[in-house]
Amino acid sequence: AQKVTQAQTEISVVEKEDVTLDCVYETRDTTYYLFWYKQPPSGELVFLIRRNSFDEQNEISGRYSWNFQKSTSSFNFTITASQVVDSAVYFCALSEPYNQGGKLIFGQGTELSVKP
Amino acid sequence: EAGVTQFPSHSVIEKGQTVTLRCDPISGHDNLYWYRRVMGKEIKFLLHFVKESKQDESGMPNNRFLAERTGGTYSTLKVQPAELEDSGVYFCASSPIQGGANYGYTFGSGTRLTVV
Repeated sequence: AQKVTQAQTEISVVEKEDVTLDCVYETRDTTYYLFWYKQPPSGELVFLIRRNSFDEQNEISGRYSWNFQKSTSSFNFTITASQVVDSAVYFCALSEPYNQGGKLIFGQGTELSVKP
Repeated sequence: EAGVTQFPSHSVIEKGQTVTLRCDPISGHDNLYWYRRVMGKEIKFLLHFVKESKQDESGMPNNRFLAERTGGTYSTLKVQPAELEDSGVYFCASSPIQGGANYGYTFGSGTRLTVV
């Protein structure tokens, strides 16, 4: 069965600190996609990144970076020099293969609080 | 291009009442998904439409929930009668082709349902 685990329920940091959000997944599929979403206090889900299982290159986008390691089934997310506006709940998710409907399996989310 | 629109954004109802949530997907998107996040827990899949057909409704919690997508355009999710444990944020997402997650989901901003 597919599963996503975000072991960190809550993280609190002070502004400008770096923070890493962990994500570990389980799947038997060889082709899959991994995602990160942000849910700010306003409630909407904001797409951050999609990574397919054949692309293990790390990605950087501004202060955000992602480390995908198939060997450990992890897809961790790092925010560098955190800001108060980064405060939100962050969800890691795994997709079913497209021929099975493609629904997302989410982790429980990590609530990040960045204090000034 | 208009995004996925959900109505209402917030709803507060009493236990035992009926509530209908609506989702307008992006025009032309055949795939429509419903998810919900109960307070403090992970976002869970409810069901998946392909056009007007229910492709997968394995996540629907019980028969108090009824989803429809007449004509393959907008979708409604009715909860009747509502219970306290139905409180949460209900998200809708749409995608242009089968296996939406692999090619791009667009989420709506969610409906926050509170049952008192």
